[in-house]
Amino acid sequence: DQQVKQNSPSLSVQEGRISILNCDYTNSMFDYFLWYKKYPAEGPTFLISISSIKDKNEDGRFTVFLNKSAKHLSLHIVPSQPGDSAVYFCAARDYDKVIFGPGTSLSVIP
Amino acid sequence: DAGVIQSPRHEVTEMGQEVTLRCKPISGHDYLFWYRQTMMRGLELLIYFNNNVPIDDSGMPEDRFSAKMPNASFSTLKIQPSEPRDSAVYFCASTRLDSRSSFYGYTFGSGTRLTVV
Repeated sequence: DQQVKQNSPSLSVQEGRISILNCDYTNSMFDYFLWYKKYPAEGPTFLISISSIKDKNEDGRFTVFLNKSAKHLSLHIVPSQPGDSAVYFCAARDYDKVIFGPGTSLSVIP
Repeated sequence: DAGVIQSPRHEVTEMGQEVTLRCKPISGHDYLFWYRQTMMRGLELLIYFNNNVPIDDSGMPEDRFSAKMPNASFSTLKIQPSEPRDSAVYFCASTRLDSRSSFYGYTFGSGTRLTVV
């Protein structure tokens, strides 16, 4: 049973527009949530994180929103750029280990 | 800092053969994780170590899989005997937990693509 879910396997967005990637989780004990980005033939790279006691964290074009009551988080990328095309993994920390979602493949169309 | 180093990058082997994947974590990191990426399951945690001691191996799929960390700078993941369904990309990751109040995730290696024919 997946504790971290990303229900959209893929997403296409026009360059310059906003990309919104969604993630749901089931374990209320997660204390940190993260987003990772992965290019083909490379390992995932850390993008942004948010503590469970916050509801928003922003880093440049990337903003993560956390809604604990709904057990939902989202990653907003504004404006989207072709270089953002990659697989994005939502992840959550359960004490010492991080559980990953299945990923969403984002394509930013020039 | 050379990052997390995994070898080999690609491995093709015949069913029934033993496969050994290797990982060198970042110096000073006290946690090491082995993940497997498949189309069906995404990134799944297999096992992790803290200070060279295995903490949780509940993700290891079968007894055919084993992992060791003989010292702080080296870990292996072994599959014996290998089967076609083991074909996947295997990632190693490491981190250092200075404080629970901040967390910036793990550093991943580039992965080993395993193909069992």
